[in-house]
Amino acid sequence: NAGVTQTPKFQVLKTGQSMTLQCAQDMNHNSMYWYRQDPGMGLRLIYYSASEGTTDKGEVPNGYNVSRLNKREFSLRLESAAPSQTSVYFCASSEAAREGNIQYFGAGTRLSVL
Amino acid sequence: AQKITQTQPGMFVQEKEAVTLDCTYDTSDPSYGLFWYKQPSSGEMIFLIYQGSYDQQNATEGRYSLNFQKARKSANLVISASQLGDSAMYFCAMREGRGYSTLTFGKGTMLLVSP
Repeated sequence: NAGVTQTPKFQVLKTGQSMTLQCAQDMNHNSMYWYRQDPGMGLRLIYYSASEGTTDKGEVPNGYNVSRLNKREFSLRLESAAPSQTSVYFCASSEAAREGNIQYFGAGTRLSVL
Repeated sequence: AQKITQTQPGMFVQEKEAVTLDCTYDTSDPSYGLFWYKQPSSGEMIFLIYQGSYDQQNATEGRYSLNFQKARKSANLVISASQLGDSAMYFCAMREGRGYSTLTFGKGTMLLVSP
């Protein structure tokens, strides 16, 4: 029972490089989310997708793009990485129809931009 | 104004004792949910417990309970009989409204359990 799977687990980029973080969930959830976690800041929402075919900006969307490829997959793209994007990135999914609309998280991707 | 406030950067507790982690929230929406997540040193975010704003009773999940005081806008996490494995970062979060609305997280409290 995998839940939410993120790849890669670790990545080092040079400033200006691009990359895509992948996220897949096997819980048949409608909603998916991308967060970043910085020291002392808690988690902040980058983008979310309420359902397949929709995406919306969160609190800190600048410098990122997302794609909801299908119901299972939600990717986060950094087009031109900057040192300020060094962070731990978490993907989550939830089902609004269920009690609490609880979000379940992947293991995270640690990204360093040099 | 911060929507979720966790005033304790760090807490220490001895094994087998109970500990309370504080969380206060700010919302004008009558429908909301409050959540606690645990983040051990390995880094994953683990869901612990949920309380809906209309729930009459405090939520409980095993050794975890949520002390929900609506008038005071507080949602404190109580861990009974602490274990060494409870040492972790704990985050309080809030969902405002119904449906797919997103979570706002507090900055977390680091809990250290000593033998």
